[in-house]
Amino acid sequence: NAGVMQNPRHLVRRRGQEARLRCSPMKGHSHVYWYRQLPEEGLKFMVYLQKENIIDESGMPKERFSAEFPKEGPSILRIQQVVRGDSAAYFCASSPLNLGQGRAGELFFGEGSRLTVL
Amino acid sequence: AQSVSQHNHHVILSEAASLELGCNYSYGGTVNLFWYVQYPGQHLQLLLKYFSGDPLVKGIKGFEAEFIKSKFSFNLRKPSVQWSDTAEYFCAVIIGTASKLTFGTGTRLQVTL
Repeated sequence: NAGVMQNPRHLVRRRGQEARLRCSPMKGHSHVYWYRQLPEEGLKFMVYLQKENIIDESGMPKERFSAEFPKEGPSILRIQQVVRGDSAAYFCASSPLNLGQGRAGELFFGEGSRLTVL
Repeated sequence: AQSVSQHNHHVILSEAASLELGCNYSYGGTVNLFWYVQYPGQHLQLLLKYFSGDPLVKGIKGFEAEFIKSKFSFNLRKPSVQWSDTAEYFCAVIIGTASKLTFGTGTRLQVTL
């Protein structure tokens, strides 16, 4: 068990509703990543956050999606006014350090949250 | 755009057969390379990683991978697969000083008894 906790594991929403996905990183990890997995498409990077800061959101859709990682509490991925195309598995991962610093870091993944939009 | 390619989408092998899964990346500079495995219903787990040094990397569960810089490849190998190796395998890359992993589309391995 990687220790990254995601909830809910399964979430069903109707079109137009809001979805909130939560991620508690491993103890001591201050770097959080969100990825989306669509069938046959692998994992697509969405956003990278460090406590209270969004570092890289280049993979986030420009509208309806937002993410935060407050000083206290879990990271939240929020999807407003969901559409059927948002149905996917959303994975959170954490790291104790910045992967770009070349210090042999790796990501530890949660079990994912599967969103189904009816 | 930099990318990671896994050409084998679905591989079916009998137990004890040898395995090689391809991974190629398109970037001419420094890369850090990973293989992750996702067993059915579970989270992604790290199999092995390459940052520097010996290009032949040994990981958990008898897996190994070889970084061939001239071929931009990091293929995953196992000499004799087991039924319990049935899973999806993802190659991933940190490109240059980027602070994120870029994943390939994954290879679904099915091992039959």
